[in-house]
Amino acid sequence: NAGVMQNPRHLVRRRGQEARLRCSPMKGHSHVYWYRQLPEEGLKFMVYLQKENIIDESGMPKERFSAEFPKEGPSILRIQQVVRGDSAAYFCASSPQGDSTDTQYFGPGTRLTVL
Amino acid sequence: GDSVTQMEGPVTLSEEAFLTINCTYTATGYPSLFWYVQYPGEGLQLLLKATKADDKGSNKGFEATYRKETTSFHLEKGSVQVSDSAVYFCARTEGGSEKLVFGKGMKLTVNP
Repeated sequence: NAGVMQNPRHLVRRRGQEARLRCSPMKGHSHVYWYRQLPEEGLKFMVYLQKENIIDESGMPKERFSAEFPKEGPSILRIQQVVRGDSAAYFCASSPQGDSTDTQYFGPGTRLTVL
Repeated sequence: GDSVTQMEGPVTLSEEAFLTINCTYTATGYPSLFWYVQYPGEGLQLLLKATKADDKGSNKGFEATYRKETTSFHLEKGSVQVSDSAVYFCARTEGGSEKLVFGKGMKLTVNP
């Protein structure tokens, strides 16, 4: 049973470009979470999605960031017009039921570098 | 607000030493508590969890007990190995939701 898949593992963008990060949850999981890890920091929650629905986006910056989890295909975290401060590791996690006692299973992360 | 405070380190130990990593939290209600471990260049892996007061989570020789009275979830291991070198994160659910609030992480290096 494959774990949470994320791609690309490393992404380099110049300021002003767009970054698209993909996450495929574990088989049978319909709840996806995105977290950001800045250098020397813990992970910060960004957004929680179910299929075709954004449940909680309280951690998303108000501008340039968006997320989706379509009926078919992976969840996408999109960052438009990237800036150097967006450089971070972005982790996706999935869980089967979205219950607060559920374990969230994390992917290997995408390390975004903005030049 | 809701938060997680843990020892930040970095900490260096010799093999077979005793390990304690303190973690305390502030909360409304009764969150679930987790310890995650991050090996170099990898994502987070669940180490153990506890979902209610007095529960003890254990895995790979690590243990942590959910202490409601002290709002703590300290991680312990009696004898660390070189392979335990990693960053350890304490985390809790936020309110009644599913999202996790993480501590800043503690880097552990175990020398032979």
